[in-house]
Amino acid sequence: GAVVSQHPSRVICKSGTSVKIECRSLDFQATTMFWYRQFPKKSLMLMATSNEGSKATYEQGVEKDKFLINHASLTLSTLTVTSAHPEDSSFYICSARGGSYQETQYFGPGTRLLVL
Amino acid sequence: AQSVAQPEDQVNVAEGNPLTVKCTYSVSGNPYLFWYVQYPNRGLQFLLKYITGDNLVKGSYGFEAEFNKSQTSFHLKKPSALVSDSALYFCAVRDHGNNRLAFGKGNQVVVIP
Repeated sequence: GAVVSQHPSRVICKSGTSVKIECRSLDFQATTMFWYRQFPKKSLMLMATSNEGSKATYEQGVEKDKFLINHASLTLSTLTVTSAHPEDSSFYICSARGGSYQETQYFGPGTRLLVL
Repeated sequence: AQSVAQPEDQVNVAEGNPLTVKCTYSVSGNPYLFWYVQYPNRGLQFLLKYITGDNLVKGSYGFEAEFNKSQTSFHLKKPSALVSDSALYFCAVRDHGNNRLAFGKGNQVVVIP
C-alpha cells in the first residue's frame, strides 16, 4: 500500500514555457500533500504544503506565482512551474499522507526538470 | 522548532559487516521519527518509523532503528550490509502537533564488495 506516483518522470522544456507535474496517491486518500525540491547531493527543501480543497501554504522564499500548486481532489495534486528558467532546473518530489496513512509521508518517484 | 542532525556525510562499510547510520533530533514535544532511503534519481522510500511503543523498531530490508529518548537519537542499523544497500539515507522528525517533516542532510552509504 501507500503508493504515490508522479508524472512525468523527466521533462525538458525551453525557457519561458510552463510545465505541469502531477502527483497522485494511488491507494489512499491524501488529505495533505507536500512538494519538495532537491538539489544534487542535497537534502530536500520543502516548497509548499497543501490540504485538499484549500490553498497551498508556501515556505518562505518560494514564489507562489511561479510555483502554482493545486490540490483539487484527495488523490491528485499538481505543481505548475510557470515561465520556467534554467535556474528552475531541479528534481521535484511530491509526498502525501492521509486516510489509512495519517502518520507517515510517502513519496513519489520524483520529476527531473531541465530548462534550456 | 524541530531539527535533525546526521553528523556523517558518508558511511563506508564492507559487505557483510554491520551498518550504522547516526541520527539525533530536536523537537519540542514527543517525536515521530522516520528513516527513508533514496536511490539515484528516485524518490524517497520509507524504511521504518517510531511513533510510540517499543524503542526498537524493525523495518524493511532487514533495517532496524532504536529510539533513545535520553540521547535524542534514532540510529539506523543493519546487522549485515549488502552492496544493494548503497544509497542515500535520510532521517526525519516531526512532533505530534506539526504537519511538516524536518529532514537531516542525508548520509551516503557505500557498501564495498
